[in-house]
Amino acid sequence: QAQLVESGGGLVKPGGSLRLSCAASGFAFSQYFMSWIRQAPGKGLEWISYISHDGGHTKYADSVKGRFTISRDSAKNSLFLQMNFLRDEDTAVYYCASIGISGITEFDQWGQGTLVTVSS
Amino acid sequence: QSALTQPASVSGSPGQSITISCSGTSSDVGTYKSVSWYQHHPGKAPKLLLYDVSSRPSGVSDRFSGSKSGNTASLTISGLQPEDEADYYCCSLGSTNSPLFGGGTKLTVL
Repeated sequence: QAQLVESGGGLVKPGGSLRLSCAASGFAFSQYFMSWIRQAPGKGLEWISYISHDGGHTKYADSVKGRFTISRDSAKNSLFLQMNFLRDEDTAVYYCASIGISGITEFDQWGQGTLVTVSS
Repeated sequence: QSALTQPASVSGSPGQSITISCSGTSSDVGTYKSVSWYQHHPGKAPKLLLYDVSSRPSGVSDRFSGSKSGNTASLTISGLQPEDEADYYCCSLGSTNSPLFGGGTKLTVL
């Protein structure tokens, strides 16, 4: 059974950095596009980034472009999100999700999320 | 690109059917068949209900169905059950060829 487990969240000051990890198991991780999606308190879901199965292609939402970097290590079945120059508005629960074969809007497996709080 | 428009809340009684709309534009929902729907119980992992407008992943109840007309997609839940009470989100490919979520709809089962 597919499982995604995020880690690395916590409290960080504005301007600071944080690296999130997502450990994948139960499916052929190296064959899947992967994505990060977040939910700010009281708000809806927001897609922020995805990466191709081989890491050769990445894309970012305008809200995080130039500050966040998505990467993966298929040997370790892991997905990462390096977050720099964090802002108050980056406070959210961050989910990793696998992308199904029908395309980049099919998030077929999700983790439980990790909370990132940006505050002074 | 702006978030897709969903009603903030809908409600229904057990056994009834409800429909949640997801309104976009000719640059997103109106153009692509890549519309998906998610169920989210707060504190838990979101769950994929439908993809490609109306396709159900294995294991998703056939009480969940989807359709699209013009720039609006819809999720219908038939035979409402108490456990259906959750937040529901639509997602479409957007004008920048990136995923775009709706604002979410809170379903209350009366």
